[in-house]
Amino acid sequence: QSVLTQPPSVSGAPGQRVTISCTGSTSNIGAGHGVQWYQQLPKTAPKLLIYDDDNRPSGVTDRFSGSRSGASASLAITGLQAEDEADYYCQSYDDGLFGGVFGGGTKLTVL
Amino acid sequence: EVQLVQSGAEVKRPGESLKISCKASGYNFTNNWIGWVRQMAGKGLELMGVIDPKDSDTRYSPTFEGQVTISADKSITTAYLQWSSLEASDTAMYYCAIVAGGRFDPWGQGSLVIVSS
Repeated sequence: QSVLTQPPSVSGAPGQRVTISCTGSTSNIGAGHGVQWYQQLPKTAPKLLIYDDDNRPSGVTDRFSGSRSGASASLAITGLQAEDEADYYCQSYDDGLFGGVFGGGTKLTVL
Repeated sequence: EVQLVQSGAEVKRPGESLKISCKASGYNFTNNWIGWVRQMAGKGLELMGVIDPKDSDTRYSPTFEGQVTISADKSITTAYLQWSSLEASDTAMYYCAIVAGGRFDPWGQGSLVIVSS
């Protein structure tokens, strides 16, 4: 049972917009700690996609965006492409756990 | 270029010991914590612990406390994850990553550990 809760899977057709939710609590996201999102393509290491709720590292397409409200956060992907098919993980800091906590991950399928 | 290069895949027997490494380059090694993350086959990411290479201050996630040892050698800019007695349940991919500003970035390429009799 992960500290941060994500849906196991989401799907969408090419060109569509999908969102992935990440629900935390008052000791992590709700405490104001920033949320990060990572993309893990098949058989590769995770890659930072969004940091501090809604910031994109250099080189990440603006088709990916993040937001946070209360104890939850969301990742939105617009203009869905086949190459977006991957696992996505949210991550934040928890006041009771030094170092950070991850969500359980969401598998995105592009139909 | 900031880079973490991890040691290669390992196949071990239950009860054996193991130490895997994470070699850092392209930045001041003592400026950022390093984290170790476990990913079991088909499962999600689990933070095992983090270490400050500056003084080897180490913090473990509750699940991994007493199960593994995290260390670092700043003279060769390398972090380590070790087991004294492996179990089959330790079979997984292990990643190291730089921890800065609350985020994990970049990540090493991963080290696959297989424990089988």
